[in-house]
Amino acid sequence: DTGVSQDPRHKITKRGQNVTFRCDPISEHNRLYWYRQTLGQGPEFLTYFQNEAQLEKSRLLSDRFSAERPKGSFSTLEIQRTEQGDSAMYLCASNTGSTYNEQFFGPGTRLTVL
Amino acid sequence: AQSVTQPDIHITVSEGASLELRCNYSYGATPYLFWYVQSPGQGLQLLLKYFSGDTLVQGIKGFEAEFKRSQSSFNLRKPSVHWSDAAEYFCAVGERDDKIIFGKGTRLHILP
Repeated sequence: DTGVSQDPRHKITKRGQNVTFRCDPISEHNRLYWYRQTLGQGPEFLTYFQNEAQLEKSRLLSDRFSAERPKGSFSTLEIQRTEQGDSAMYLCASNTGSTYNEQFFGPGTRLTVL
Repeated sequence: AQSVTQPDIHITVSEGASLELRCNYSYGATPYLFWYVQSPGQGLQLLLKYFSGDTLVQGIKGFEAEFKRSQSSFNLRKPSVHWSDAAEYFCAVGERDDKIIFGKGTRLHILP
């Protein structure tokens, strides 16, 4: 299967710890997106990359959050000093960046902060 | 600012019955509209999308949606639901291939 993959699928951590998530997009896709989904809500945009360049960041992405895509392939999302409010599903999506192109989503990483 | 409203948090229908899920959007220009489905433990899957042209859009799994500019709506329909359709459905609006703004979702329950 060559879809979007995310690792880990589940992460439980204690408040104050740092966590890092990885997303591997579909191989020919040069755009990569991160979303956050909390219980009972739809996904909310966090940030996106065109190749290795981070083009936009949401106000939801506080200073504790950082995302990278160093070689324009996989991406990492790091949360420093986690808080209970960070508990959510973190979704990654990718596409080719062409006009009208749909985004293909991965299965997500579910973060629980105790 | 763009926004999407899905007025129904939960919908329950009997298997074999017809389905309509409502969606209203707020967007200044011609919207790019999507319906995604999310099953437990799985990622979001695109059901259908509208960018231009025919306002009645056909999607996968027998779903269709109709874009009505005058009502700012993009309702999802299916003539006969199956138990496997039980899931959460998200309406979304996008600006070209940029970020997508999702509604809060409608959870669909199917009665046997």
